[in-house]
Amino acid sequence: KNQVEQSPQSLIILEGKNCTLQCNYTVSPFSNLRWYKQDTGRGPVSLTIMTFSENTKSNGRYTATLDADTKQSSLHITASQLSDSASYICVVSEYSSASKIIFGSGTRLSIRP
Amino acid sequence: GAVVSQHPSWVICKSGTSVKIECRSLDFQATTMFWYRQFPKQSLMLMATSNEGSKATYEQGVEKDKFLINHASLTLSTLTVTSAHPEDSSFYICSARDPAERYEQYFGPGTRLTVT
Repeated sequence: KNQVEQSPQSLIILEGKNCTLQCNYTVSPFSNLRWYKQDTGRGPVSLTIMTFSENTKSNGRYTATLDADTKQSSLHITASQLSDSASYICVVSEYSSASKIIFGSGTRLSIRP
Repeated sequence: GAVVSQHPSWVICKSGTSVKIECRSLDFQATTMFWYRQFPKQSLMLMATSNEGSKATYEQGVEKDKFLINHASLTLSTLTVTSAHPEDSSFYICSARDPAERYEQYFGPGTRLTVT
């Protein structure tokens, strides 16, 4: 069964600190992996997209990594800001005609001043 | 990036009434749009895939007669919650694929539905 597991479920860190969120998946065949940021009461906003051949992608203070062999991805946030408080969702797409996408349950990140 | 809008952003309706939610791709044509619902502190759950000019494909467990989807043009899909009940109260989000961008999927800002 295709699954996407994220950890931790929730995380609280102090402003200015770094953190890393994890995503493990069993989706096969694999097409691409995306990280989204979702503020409370808003739709998700794309942070990074990685295909099989990419193992790192940066977007400002966000850096995503992908290990297609171990089927693991991480999202690293550096120098966290209060505005980083949100849910971070890992989404993996199948490589098929249906292009089914599977959502992780998300990590709720809270930044404290 | 491309923009997807939803209208209304929130709606309160009485039990038994129907509510229509619009999803528009503002600067690209989307042959495929998706509808999700999200309960508090949970991830998005795909309800249906909306294809322009054809019938929507519903996920298992989603009542097609209750959640009517129409994708009449390349920039507009609508979701109508018919005979709404309090348990239909949720956050509804649409998304659209831009054919010009191979993997990207853009989400709308969501619609908060409250049924009293």
